[in-house]
Amino acid sequence: AQTVTQSQPEMSVQEAETVTLSCTYDTSESDYYLFWYKQPPSRQMILVIRQEAYKQQNATENRFSVNFQKAAKSFSLKISDSQLGDAAMYFCAYRRMAGTASKLTFGTGTRLQVTL
Amino acid sequence: GAVVSQHPSRVICKSGTSVKIECRSLDFQATTMFWYRQFPKQSLMLMATSNEGSKATYEQGVEKDKFLINHASLTLSTLTVTSAHPEDSSFYICSARGSWTGGLNTEAFFGQGTRLTVV
Repeated sequence: AQTVTQSQPEMSVQEAETVTLSCTYDTSESDYYLFWYKQPPSRQMILVIRQEAYKQQNATENRFSVNFQKAAKSFSLKISDSQLGDAAMYFCAYRRMAGTASKLTFGTGTRLQVTL
Repeated sequence: GAVVSQHPSRVICKSGTSVKIECRSLDFQATTMFWYRQFPKQSLMLMATSNEGSKATYEQGVEKDKFLINHASLTLSTLTVTSAHPEDSSFYICSARGSWTGGLNTEAFFGQGTRLTVV
């Protein structure tokens, strides 16, 4: 079974600084997706960034980028120029590519605090 | 992006009654819908997966007779908590995924969630 591990329950970053959230996963599949979701206090799940396993290039979305290390099964999220609005729970998630009904497996989450 | 609307956002019901939560995909056809439960400060726990027109597939430990899931159309899925008890109080979230041909199969789109309180 696939597992996703987020070893940092809480992280803190100063506004305008950079922070990296860690995620590792375990799978025997070769084709899969990895995601980072943000859950602010409203509890609405928001997709931050997505990575296809077959792509060697790391995904980027504005201030958000990932470091995808397939061999090490590591998928960290880097947030640059942190803003107060980035404060939220961040969940790393895995989904195998095959199958229209394949489910997301979530990590336990990292709570990010942004300080002035 | 694709929009998923979940209703109600909050509901309070008496112990022993049933409550229905709706999840609608507003601008795409949701071939697969997922229902999650989230306890405070915890991750999302998948309860069941449903495909339009088929019976839902429940995760181990989830009572299918208590949590009834219906996915009768490509835009609507419902979760009914039957004979609710205080221990069913939680935050319930739905998500939907479209078809491969529609280009909306990669990611899941989430509803706003429903906070259920059983008194």
